[in-house]
Parts: sequence; C-alpha cells; structure tokens
Amino acid sequence: GEDVEQSLFLSVREGDSSVINCTYTDSSSTYLYWYKQEPGAGLQLLTYIFSNMDMKQDQRLTVLLNKKDKHLSLRIADTQTGDSAIYFCAENGPDSWGKLQFGAGTQVVVTP
Amino acid sequence: DADVTQTPRNRITKTGKRIMLECSQTKGHDRMYWYRQDPGLGLRLIYYSFDVKDINKGEISDGYSVSRQAQAKFSLSLESAIPNQTALYFCATSDPGQVGLETQYFGPGTRLLVL
Repeated sequence: GEDVEQSLFLSVREGDSSVINCTYTDSSSTYLYWYKQEPGAGLQLLTYIFSNMDMKQDQRLTVLLNKKDKHLSLRIADTQTGDSAIYFCAENGPDSWGKLQFGAGTQVVVTP
Repeated sequence: DADVTQTPRNRITKTGKRIMLECSQTKGHDRMYWYRQDPGLGLRLIYYSFDVKDINKGEISDGYSVSRQAQAKFSLSLESAIPNQTALYFCATSDPGQVGLETQYFGPGTRLLVL
C-alpha cells in the first residue's frame, strides 16, 4: 500500500511553536488529515486539508501542504501542556475510497 | 455518553484461546472499521464494513474474523490468539458526508495481551 511517514518524537517547550512533518506517496490523495490521540483515548480528527489547497488555518493550528514534494505539516502555535499527545497524519485517495492510510504517529511532549 | 464504545477495555488471554472484541456505536453510521495499533507502526486496518451486508479485508486480516450483527455493532474475533496479536485495538465509524472527505470516529480502544 501507500506509505505515510512521520518522525516518531518531538519535544517542545510550553509557549513555543510545534511543527510536525509528514510525507506521503499517493499523489492522488483527495484529503489529508491530522488526528490527535491523547493518552488512553482513541484518535480524534484535529483538522484536514483538501488537496487543492496549500494552507489552512484554524485558531492555533496551521496546516501546510506541498503537493509537489508530497509534504504535509502541522504547526501548533503557543503549544500548551494539553497539546501533549500522539499526532497522526493520514491520507485517502480515489483508490482508497472510504479508507484512510495512517502514518506511525509523532509523539509530542510539551515541557514546562 | 460515548458515541463509539468498545468492550472489554482490557483483556489478557492465553495463546490458542478464542476471544471476541465488541464495538457498538450510536452515531447511525453505516461504515465501521477495526484497526490495530502497535508502537512505531501506527494504525493498520484489519477489516472494514460499509454496511450490514458488506465485509472487506484490510491490510492485516490474517488470524482475524469479523461479524457485523447490525448497523450499530461490529465484532472482531481472534480465532486462536497468538502473542504477536498483542496490541491496542480500535473500532471506528464514518459517514460519507461530503464526497471524498473521510472523517472517522474512534472508540477508546481495547488493550489486548496474549501470553
């Protein structure tokens, strides 16, 4: 299947910005997603971006999409301790209708 | 109340035992999914169902089976559990909604340990 790759760990100080990166291989992806998994819980959709956009902003979250390089990033401004979680990048394309391909997840640890 | 529930939340079993993990949802969604999560591997799809009469294998279906008893219920069985099936298992649902947009709603997970 198609691969979605992410770095596994990110440490950030409270109040700084976090940037989580993701690369994907399916150039036909329709949407790309960021899911958040808090300790002991299931995944929850954080935000998504349509493939014909290159940026989406939602309060403290900024998603950047570079289709040429197949690179997706999530920036969290003013990172808080409540942002400590695992963040998953995911994609779906016309050949995977109704299904998502997830990356391995990036564990973000916010330190005081 | 949670929209997607899973039972049990934790389970310890022995090699060779048959076990069933259950998932129920109150979201009214037709689509349901079973994933397993392993550290460093992310989520991998085991089985999925787009309606009550539809069952499809995911990327890692060997050693697993499923049953879609109703729109709201989707069960995952391990016919003969083995230690490398030790993992965190998630059920999820989705609703087609906007064409191409796949928003999935996850249960809290079942942590399974096979000894």
